[in-house]
Amino acid sequence: GIQVEQSPPDLILQEGANSTLRCNFSDSVNNLQWFHQNPWGQLINLFYIPSGTKQNGRLSATTVATERYSLLYISSSQTTDSGVYFCAPQATGFQKLVFGTGTRLLVSP
Amino acid sequence: NAGVTQTPKFQVLKTGQSMTLQCAQDMNHEYMSWYRQDPGMGLRLIHYSVGAGITDQGEVPNGYNVSRSTTEDFPLRLLSAAPSQTSVYFCASSYEGGALETQYFGPGTRLLVL
Repeated sequence: GIQVEQSPPDLILQEGANSTLRCNFSDSVNNLQWFHQNPWGQLINLFYIPSGTKQNGRLSATTVATERYSLLYISSSQTTDSGVYFCAPQATGFQKLVFGTGTRLLVSP
Repeated sequence: NAGVTQTPKFQVLKTGQSMTLQCAQDMNHEYMSWYRQDPGMGLRLIHYSVGAGITDQGEVPNGYNVSRSTTEDFPLRLLSAAPSQTSVYFCASSYEGGALETQYFGPGTRLLVL
């Protein structure tokens, strides 16, 4: 099945800093989604982004499906951005998402 | 809309007991799925359903059963609980049309098997 690698595994930022999280995947995809899991365990969908670039406030995401990677940008980070960020691609021909192991982000005041 | 709801929030079982984790959604989503999350790991797919009456296995289906008799509900059954099934269980739903659309997750059920 599709392999998903996220980097870095852990990231510590000072409030106000910018960061880029990367997701590499091994096969062609129909779809890719980014999620944030907050410290209370709730999973929130950030982006549905099979290709191209999308922006939502301080967050943006880019997927280059032909090169099999996606990037999540966080600008002017806030303490509420802390948590774990997961990417989950859907391999072409399969009706399921496969999750990476995540990037754990800690934003300190 | 309540979105995706899960019950119970927390459960303790003894080895060998059975139980059903409930999941319901009120968004008329065709696609529903169950994941488990173990400490320090991502989510692993247990079972999924693309519509009422249709289910399929994910990455880690052993020890779990599902059925989908209505669009709204997708219960997960543990027939004989084992300590290895201690985990946090998440249910999710989305529209489905070849490419899965935005997935919405429930709040999770924390299960401890002694």
